[in-house]
Amino acid sequence: DIQMTQSPSLLSASVGDRVTLNCKASQNINKNLNWYQQKLGEAPKLLIYYTNNLQTGIPSRFSGSGSGTDYTLTISSLQPEDVATYFCFQYNSGPTFGAGTKLELK
Amino acid sequence: EVLLQQSGAELVRPGSSVKISCKASGYTFTDYYMHWVKQRPEQGLVWIGRINPANGNTVYAEKFKSKATLTADKSSNTAYMQLSSLTSEDTATYFCTRRGCMDAWGQGASVTVSS
Repeated sequence: DIQMTQSPSLLSASVGDRVTLNCKASQNINKNLNWYQQKLGEAPKLLIYYTNNLQTGIPSRFSGSGSGTDYTLTISSLQPEDVATYFCFQYNSGPTFGAGTKLELK
Repeated sequence: EVLLQQSGAELVRPGSSVKISCKASGYTFTDYYMHWVKQRPEQGLVWIGRINPANGNTVYAEKFKSKATLTADKSSNTAYMQLSSLTSEDTATYFCTRRGCMDAWGQGASVTVSS
């Protein structure tokens, strides 16, 4: 199975900060990666698909990038409603999620 | 509007089975795969498998091949997941989610395994 390692596991940031979340695959996943946001008590929500495509209705402060084994989700200006856990998900082979990054306000 | 409505919370005995439903609306049910995902309390997400509602073809993650059985009823636009030989390790919330990009999710079905 492809292992997905997210870092950091916990991130504290202030409103307005630029925030970067990382996801590293154990092998090349050919950009077959999505990002999801999960707020407490809710189902996950798709933010970014195929590495860098913004899902309809998602604010433009969210963006994704990467290739090969290394991928990034960036929030350009953190808002209070962005407090959540973020998961990456690879579907290149034997689909797997990362363990998540919990984002909190400083 | 795409909606995936899941069945309610279940309290079940160890060793028993449970069947969770996921009723789809707002799109053509047979157009997209339905995936299932497990989330244990305070933990991450685990992909269980997926079904093609058009023909019933299934793919499972290795660790769920003897645990989960996915089915779909085209007449009622409903996907099902049965979990068998339940143990405390199966206590979790189970989500159904549409398409490979998982662009719509059910609200989750809580399963608690306890004697």
